[in-house]
Amino acid sequence: QKEVEQNSGPLSVPEGAIASLNCTYSDRGSQSFFWYRQYSGKSPELIMSIYSNGDKEDGRFTAQLNKASQYVSLLIRDSQPSDSATYLCAVINSSASKIIFGSGTRLSIRP
Amino acid sequence: DAMVIQNPRYQVTQFGKPVTLSCSQTLNHNVMYWYQQKSSQAPKLLFHYYDKDFNNEADTPDNFQSRRPNTSFCFLDIRSPGLGDAAMYLCATSRAAGELFFGEGSRLTVL
Repeated sequence: QKEVEQNSGPLSVPEGAIASLNCTYSDRGSQSFFWYRQYSGKSPELIMSIYSNGDKEDGRFTAQLNKASQYVSLLIRDSQPSDSATYLCAVINSSASKIIFGSGTRLSIRP
Repeated sequence: DAMVIQNPRYQVTQFGKPVTLSCSQTLNHNVMYWYQQKSSQAPKLLFHYYDKDFNNEADTPDNFQSRRPNTSFCFLDIRSPGLGDAAMYLCATSRAAGELFFGEGSRLTVL
């Protein structure tokens, strides 16, 4: 079992719709969770961080965390073509020694 | 603006010819990381420095070395690059084990 798992996609969503990206992790003691966006050929940039159960909203983005089920998700409302990118889920492990990335979900917003 | 700067952005080398990639940061973060990312894959942690303490991942090849002469700078040395080492190399920083701030990356091509 991978430490951080994501569906590789591609996930195709029509413009203006809600895109839903999911991530599961294996280390039950993990405390910190991040979503990064990566455009092709570019480095990852931080979109959201979440540390406690529930929802955290920032503009069109909402991160959701459920530690009991060991999953974290990212919702993108009113999807725009500029949201087309790979989204990386990242988790700090329970020993807080390093950040582990999932392999990413490729999101495509179709006009 | 405070940032993470990587040089060079693009590096072409010949098989077996040593390469050094550099990273500097003005964020005054105490942790610096080197990741390797190949196409459509997650960033793979090679090593990181927590202050002056060097942490090498178990599966990082001996061909890869790193130096951190001071808080602001970190170097990645690839002693004898092979074709399989062609990748994007990402430097990142964080305050303690927190969210990562990435540089723009150095793309290595091995001929």
